[in-house]
Amino acid sequence: NAGVTQTPKFRVLKTGQSMTLLCAQDMNHEYMYWYRQDPGMGLRLIHYSVGEGTTAKGEVPDGYNVSRLKKQNFLLGLESAAPSQTSVYFCASSYGGTLFNYGYTFGSGTRLTVV
Amino acid sequence: DQQVKQNSPSLSVQEGRISILNCDYTNSMFDYFLWYKKYPAEGPTFLISISSIKDKNEDGRFTVFLNKSAKHLSLHIVPSQPGDSAVYFCAASANDYKLSFGAGTTVTVRA
Repeated sequence: NAGVTQTPKFRVLKTGQSMTLLCAQDMNHEYMYWYRQDPGMGLRLIHYSVGEGTTAKGEVPDGYNVSRLKKQNFLLGLESAAPSQTSVYFCASSYGGTLFNYGYTFGSGTRLTVV
Repeated sequence: DQQVKQNSPSLSVQEGRISILNCDYTNSMFDYFLWYKKYPAEGPTFLISISSIKDKNEDGRFTVFLNKSAKHLSLHIVPSQPGDSAVYFCAASANDYKLSFGAGTTVTVRA
């Protein structure tokens, strides 16, 4: 029972480089989310998806793109990394409707450093 | 502008005593509240939740209290155990499945 799996766990990028963070869930959840965690800021929503083929902007979407081609996968892309994107990134998934009461299931995070 | 605020960055408590974590919110549309626990190098895990139609929810050693008029909720852990040492996040939703999180409170349980 893997839950939510994020790859990679760690990455160091140079300014201007691009990369894709992969999130995979095996719980048949409809909703998926990308958050970033920064000291003193809590978790902030970057983008989210309410189903396969859909994406929407969250609180801090600038500099990021996402895709949800398959229900179980949610990809977060950085086209041109900047030092301000140094953070810990968490993917999460959830049911919708009344089953949302169970909240999110989170992955273990990706620690990204942009130098 | 953070809609969910945890004003105490840290809390130290002796083992066996009560831990009280506080959370304030500004959005009156929030109708569902959750607490998450996070250990280092792991993702947050769901701890307990409460709907806006209730003022208290209890699960074992954990109790969450909601005061809607004050836009305030609190998490009580009784008795505190060493394994409770972690970062606790308060989160809220306005019936749209998106959670807004507080900055977290680091709890240290002393032996």
